[in-house]
Amino acid sequence: NAGVTQTPKFQVLKTGQSMTLQCAQDMNHEYMSWYRQDPGMGLRLIHYSVGAGITDQGEVPNGYNVSRSTTEDFPLRLLSAAPSQTSVYFCASSWDTQETQYFGPGTRLLVL
Amino acid sequence: KNQVEQSPQSLIILEGKNCTLQCNYTVSPFSNLRWYKQDTGRGPVSLTIMTFSENTKSNGRYTATLDADTKQSSLHITASQLSDSASYICVVSPMGYYGGSQGNLIFGKGTKLSVKP
Repeated sequence: NAGVTQTPKFQVLKTGQSMTLQCAQDMNHEYMSWYRQDPGMGLRLIHYSVGAGITDQGEVPNGYNVSRSTTEDFPLRLLSAAPSQTSVYFCASSWDTQETQYFGPGTRLLVL
Repeated sequence: KNQVEQSPQSLIILEGKNCTLQCNYTVSPFSNLRWYKQDTGRGPVSLTIMTFSENTKSNGRYTATLDADTKQSSLHITASQLSDSASYICVVSPMGYYGGSQGNLIFGKGTKLSVKP
């Protein structure tokens, strides 16, 4: 099993550009989620999904979109990048909301 | 507002010593409380998960305790090793309307532990 994979590892964007952060898992997990981690702050939930076709907002959803068309994939879209979105983004998955979460290696995003 | 507070912010200990990290939360009701270890530049790794009815959970040299009455949890690390140097994060999962977990986990800011030789 590859576990949870994220691409790209690092990305530089200009303000206003759009991009998609990819997240995939091969463990057949139903629950997937996206977090951002900023210096001095805990991980903050952006969006989550409890199964294919179902998504919900977390604590900081503004400026981000998600969709869950398959169990395996949960992409995060930045619609119009802003410097405030400079952060490290982590994707995670688990069997359900009660079980152990497995995190991906993260994507470092720099918005100029 | 649901919050998770951790103390201390950072801690330096000598290799072989024990230490205890604290977590206070205001989330109520909650479904489970978790402790994660995050190495620098890596994603968090789960150490323990405790439901609201559990008092303690161990994972090797890591032992987590939970007091739901005082809304406190602690993570005790025994016989520390250099590889224990990391951030330790307390996470609380609010209970959903029908029981179980809502899915919106609430993370503390973490305690940065440095183990020195």
